Amino acid sequence: EVQLVESGGGLVKPGGSLRLSCAASALTLSNAWMNWVRQTPGKGLEWVGRIKSKSDGGTTQHAAPVKGRFSISRDDSKDVVFLQMNSLKTEDTAVYYCTTSLNGDPAYYYYGMHVWGQGTTVIVSS
Amino acid sequence: SFVLTQPPSVSVAPGETARITCGGNNIGSKKVHWYQQRPGQAPLLVIYFDFDRPSEIPERFSGSNSGNTATLTISRVEAGDEADYYCQVWDFNSDHWLFGGGTKLTVL
Repeated sequence: EVQLVESGGGLVKPGGSLRLSCAASALTLSNAWMNWVRQTPGKGLEWVGRIKSKSDGGTTQHAAPVKGRFSISRDDSKDVVFLQMNSLKTEDTAVYYCTTSLNGDPAYYYYGMHVWGQGTTVIVSS
Repeated sequence: SFVLTQPPSVSVAPGETARITCGGNNIGSKKVHWYQQRPGQAPLLVIYFDFDRPSEIPERFSGSNSGNTATLTISRVEAGDEADYYCQVWDFNSDHWLFGGGTKLTVL
């Protein structure tokens, strides 16, 4: 069974930085297009951004609220995807999920997010 | 930018049919996905591409999409269906994923 595991969440002061990681079991992440999605307390889901596989250009997209502050990257040698979060604001407080398509196959990227991690919590507070 | 509108809440008695809508300008021209999120859990894809179901999702879950409204229908509702439900589309113009605000399904 494909599983994603996020880590790196924690408490950080406004203006600070944090790096989240996403690793997988039963899946080679290097082939997958990966998303980050967040959920603020008591609120809905918000897509944060995406990174394509290196073989598909490795390009990224970021949602407007995080553009210029957050950056998605990948280390295929370690089979990990990262979300670097800088200049954090209190409104970035959320559970952050990494997600991918069915079996991590990019051919299914637009078929919805079939695989989700359990999430990691980020709290931005002074 | 494209906006998805869901009712905040829907209530239904056990055994009845729940319909959760997702409104958007000409949403029928897009492919809609639906997620179920139980308290304390990660979201689970229950419908993709308007009406397809992942193999592990019961047939009681179905979807449709036409005009300005997509609908998730849950037949013979059970207590375990009580959850938040989110619709989602991919916006071609921005190359971004968009989520609706979510609907809380209460089983009376």
